Amino acid sequence: SQKIEQNSEALNIQEGKTATLTCNYTNYSPAYLQWYRQDPGRGPVFLLLIRENEKEKRKERLKVTFDTTLKQSLFHITASQPADSATYLCALGPNTDKLIFGTGTRLQVFP
Amino acid sequence: KAGVTQTPRYLIKTRGQQVTLSCSPISGHRSVSWYQQTPGQGLQFLFEYFSETQRNKGNFPGRFSGRQFSNSRSEMNVSTLELGDSALYLCASSLPGTTGANVLTFGAGSRLTVL
Repeated sequence: SQKIEQNSEALNIQEGKTATLTCNYTNYSPAYLQWYRQDPGRGPVFLLLIRENEKEKRKERLKVTFDTTLKQSLFHITASQPADSATYLCALGPNTDKLIFGTGTRLQVFP
Repeated sequence: KAGVTQTPRYLIKTRGQQVTLSCSPISGHRSVSWYQQTPGQGLQFLFEYFSETQRNKGNFPGRFSGRQFSNSRSEMNVSTLELGDSALYLCASSLPGTTGANVLTFGAGSRLTVL
């Protein structure tokens, strides 16, 4: 069955460092991969989308890579800030079909 | 423009009861998806509606049902509630087909507690 794994439940890093979150999947060939941020008590918020034919996408301090051979996406937050503390979810989907979400990684950035 | 609105935000029910949750999508969005979020399972897909038709369905029992109205507003219903139905129920709307990718805008969720 399709399976999505995010590297760890929690990741703690110091302010100013680069946070790297991992999303691995099996038994699936997604057309695209998305990353969402979720704060406590709120719904997820879309951050970035990367398609299967793209290797890398950037948006301000965020960078996403997508390796369809390794079946893995890496999500980087450079110069991390305490305000980046949240749970980050990866999601995979084919076109016009449902998104499948990972269980998320809780990032804590300490001053 | 207004975001996705879910009501009620919090509710407490007892086993055996039923519950109806409501979702108003972003104006112009015709697709509405529902997800169940629990600490152990993460976000689990329930169903998706587009133009009043259920287009996709997740692996949930028949106690979980939904519908979409002509104004794109959606409701989901859970009958014969069980303790395990306690969760955050998230609704998301989207404009599928414009980019080939289903980018979701989520509401804040309805927190259901079953006692």
